[in-house]
Order: sequence, then structure tokens, then C-alpha cells
Amino acid sequence: DAGVIQSPRHEVTEMGQEVTLRCKPISGHNSLFWYRQTMMRGLELLIYFNNNVPIDDSGMPEDRFSAKMPNASFSTLKIQPSEPRDSAVYFCASSSTGTIHFFGPGTRLTVL
Amino acid sequence: TQLLEQSPQFLSIQEGENLTVYCNSSSVFSSLQWYRQEPGEGPVLLVTVVTGGEVKKLKRLTFQFGDARKDSSLHITAAQPGDTGLYLCAETSGSRLTFGEGTQLTVNP
Repeated sequence: DAGVIQSPRHEVTEMGQEVTLRCKPISGHNSLFWYRQTMMRGLELLIYFNNNVPIDDSGMPEDRFSAKMPNASFSTLKIQPSEPRDSAVYFCASSSTGTIHFFGPGTRLTVL
Repeated sequence: TQLLEQSPQFLSIQEGENLTVYCNSSSVFSSLQWYRQEPGEGPVLLVTVVTGGEVKKLKRLTFQFGDARKDSSLHITAAQPGDTGLYLCAETSGSRLTFGEGTQLTVNP
């Protein structure tokens, strides 16, 4: 069975550009999570959805970040405009139980 | 949100050695998970511990949950190069996970 799928795996962009990260959760999972991992701050929860509805976005750093889940099989995390401090690995995870998270391989974002 | 402290931050050992890494908090954990993350991949769940004093074994890995549920340890016996990775503990609160900063383990052949 396919795990969580993320695209792109790597993204290099210039400051000020819009970045869109994509995630396809495991089929049948009703919870989806977006995380960011950096050396300085470790792995942080940005936002999570339950049944496509955003439940907790308290980890979203600022208004430049937005996330959507238009259906059960797709979610996006958008950064507009991007800044160098947004450089990180962004992970998507999904869950059917809420407490057991299955992580995707991540998107490594570099903002120049 | 409680602060999770993991130690040591880095650990480099030779194949065949034993090791223990720790996860501590100033507050009581509702439940605790351990994950391993390999380079270029996402974290993978190893175990969940819920009950104070609980011990779980996964092949050469032994997980302990402190009696007061404020600390946990992961012991690896006869480490192998395939054990190399970032070991993360995470406290669960409903659907939220709060991660420690991890222990980066390198097992040299």
C-alpha cells in the first residue's frame, strides 16, 4: 500500500515567490497533519485537519502560511511570499486513530 | 505544551555496543511515543507507552516508561549500523504530538 505522498521532494525558490507543497494522505485516514522540521526548532506541528476541517492552526507561524484540504485525498500548504527563514523540511502525516501518525518523506524547501 | 528534553543530543558508538537515550519532562505525560527518523525520510513510529512503569521490547530495543510518567528511556542492545538515525520522543495530547529535539545516533561499523 502507498504511504503518505508528498510533492515536490525538493524545492528551491527565491525570496518573495509563492511556494505550494502538496500531500496525499493514506487512503481511509481522516486526520492530516503538517509539520516543519529545522535544526533550531526541531519538529513542530503547524496545523492539522480532521475530516477535511482545520482543527488547530495555532502552529502556523504567520499569515504568509495557509493550508487547505479540499477533499479527503489532498492537502496543500502554501507560503506567500516566501522568506529565507522558511527554509526547512516540511512533513505531512496522516492518521486513522489520531495518535498514530504516518509521515510522508518530506519536502525540503530552500528559499534563497 | 510541556517541554521535552532528550539526552544525549548526539551519540556515536561502535557496532556491538549498548546504549541508552532519555526523554524527560517537568510534567506528567499522558502517553509517550518513540520514533526513528532516517536521513531523507519522515519519522517512523517505534512504540507507544501509556502506563507508568511499563516496559516494551522490540527486538534489540527496550523502552521504559517511568513510574511517575515523567520520563522514558530507550535502550539498544548490540547496536548495528542500521540503527543509525534520529530518535525522537513525542508526547501525545489528543491528536497533537509534541516532539523532543531528538538524539542523533551514529553506529560505526
